[in-house]
Amino acid sequence: QKEVEQNSGPLSVPEGAIASLNCTYSDRGSQSFFWYRQYSGKSPELIMFIYSNGDKEDGRFTAQLNKASQYVSLLIRDSQPSDSATYLCAVSRGGGSYIPTFGRGTSLIVHP
Amino acid sequence: EAGVTQFPSHSVIEKGQTVTLRCDPISGHDNLYWYRRVMGKEIKFLLHFVKESKQDESGMPNNRFLAERTGGTYSTLKVQPAELEDSGVYFCASSQERLGETQYFGPGTRLLVL
Repeated sequence: QKEVEQNSGPLSVPEGAIASLNCTYSDRGSQSFFWYRQYSGKSPELIMFIYSNGDKEDGRFTAQLNKASQYVSLLIRDSQPSDSATYLCAVSRGGGSYIPTFGRGTSLIVHP
Repeated sequence: EAGVTQFPSHSVIEKGQTVTLRCDPISGHDNLYWYRRVMGKEIKFLLHFVKESKQDESGMPNNRFLAERTGGTYSTLKVQPAELEDSGVYFCASSQERLGETQYFGPGTRLLVL
C-alpha cells in the first residue's frame, strides 16, 4: 500500500467550476498535511498546509482534513485555466519534523 | 529576494561517471533539503541539513551519494559512481522556520545516466 495515494487524473473541469482533489494516507501518526502545486517542468510550490480536522480556507483554496478517515482534500473554487497543474499531496509526522512524504500527484486541467 | 537556485539544470552522464549537483538556498535559510523524483514515481526525501549539520539522512539510497554543506550556505550532492537508476530530477528546498513547514523548492536538476 502506498503511503500517500492520489488519483493521477487528469481531472478536467470547466473554467469557473469547483475542482476537488483528493488524497488518502496510510500512517495514522501523520500530523501535518500539505498541498503543493507544480506546473509542468517547474518546482513544487506550497499552497496550503493543515494540521487540524476540518476546513482551512485561503482565497479560492480550501483544504479539508479528516484524520479518522485518513483523508485530505483540496477544493479550488472558481477554477481558472492558470490553475492547470499537478497538485501534490504530502504528509508528515510532525513532532519536530516536517519532512514530507509525497503522493504522485493529480493532474488538473481547467478548460475555458 | 532570490529563490532557491540549482546548478546544473540538466546533466547527461554515462554510467560509472561522477556528477556533482549544487544548491544555493534562500539567504538566511538554515534548513536545506534534498529530494529526488524518479520518472513515474513520487518525490522522495533524501536528506536534511540544519546549517552545516546533517539532521536526517535517512532517505539517502546508498553510499554512492554524498551530500555536503560546508559553512552552512550552499550544498552539493555528489553521485559517484552514477548508475542508471540514479536518473531523475533532484530538487533542493530550503526553509527558515525551525520546523520547516514552509519549504521553498528550487527548479531541480534533471539527471540522465546512460
